[in-house]
Amino acid sequence: QKEVEQDPGPLSVPEGAIVSLNCTYSNSAFQYFMWYRQYSRKGPELLMYTYSSGNKEDGRFTAQVDKSSKYISLFIRDSQPSDSATYLCAMSANYGGATNKLIFGTGTLLAVQP
Amino acid sequence: DTEVTQTPKHLVMGMTNKKSLKCEQHMGHRAMYWYKQKAKKPPELMFVYSYEKLSINESVPSRFSPECPNSSLLNLHLHALQPEDSALYLCASSQDLSGRGADTQYFGPGTRLTVL
Repeated sequence: QKEVEQDPGPLSVPEGAIVSLNCTYSNSAFQYFMWYRQYSRKGPELLMYTYSSGNKEDGRFTAQVDKSSKYISLFIRDSQPSDSATYLCAMSANYGGATNKLIFGTGTLLAVQP
Repeated sequence: DTEVTQTPKHLVMGMTNKKSLKCEQHMGHRAMYWYKQKAKKPPELMFVYSYEKLSINESVPSRFSPECPNSSLLNLHLHALQPEDSALYLCASSQDLSGRGADTQYFGPGTRLTVL
């Protein structure tokens, strides 16, 4: 079983839709959760970062973490064609004293149709 | 400023060539990373430098040789690569608050490498 599972998609939605992207994980030590957006042939861009459980909102983006279910989500409101990209979830644990590795999901390819 | 820069953007090399990839950040971050990314796959960690010392080597073949000349610069020296090494090579940096948790990593745009 992979440590982080993410549906690869592709996910196609009409402009203006609410998009829900999800990851599940198995390692209960994960405490730090990130979402990256990656456009084709570009480097990943940090979108959202959350620590432990709860919600965090930034403009049209909301990140949600449910540690009891080992489930994280990214919601995109009023989706735009410019949101078309691959979305990668990533997470890490604090093992103390060492640089922590990010564990990535496989990425979900999102296409927002005009 | 959350910018990580990488040069060159594209590189084509033969299997006998020696080349280097360069990465630079001016955010005061003390951890720097090299990743390899194949098409439709997530980034795959290769090396981590923490406070200019190599802290993680993910069993990368010796034809890849990292170097961290100072806290702002990271190089990846390439020699005798194989066609299967063709990929997007990404550099990232983070504050590395060792023992305090999250290393939110900021990525550069990558170098697209083709090995002929």
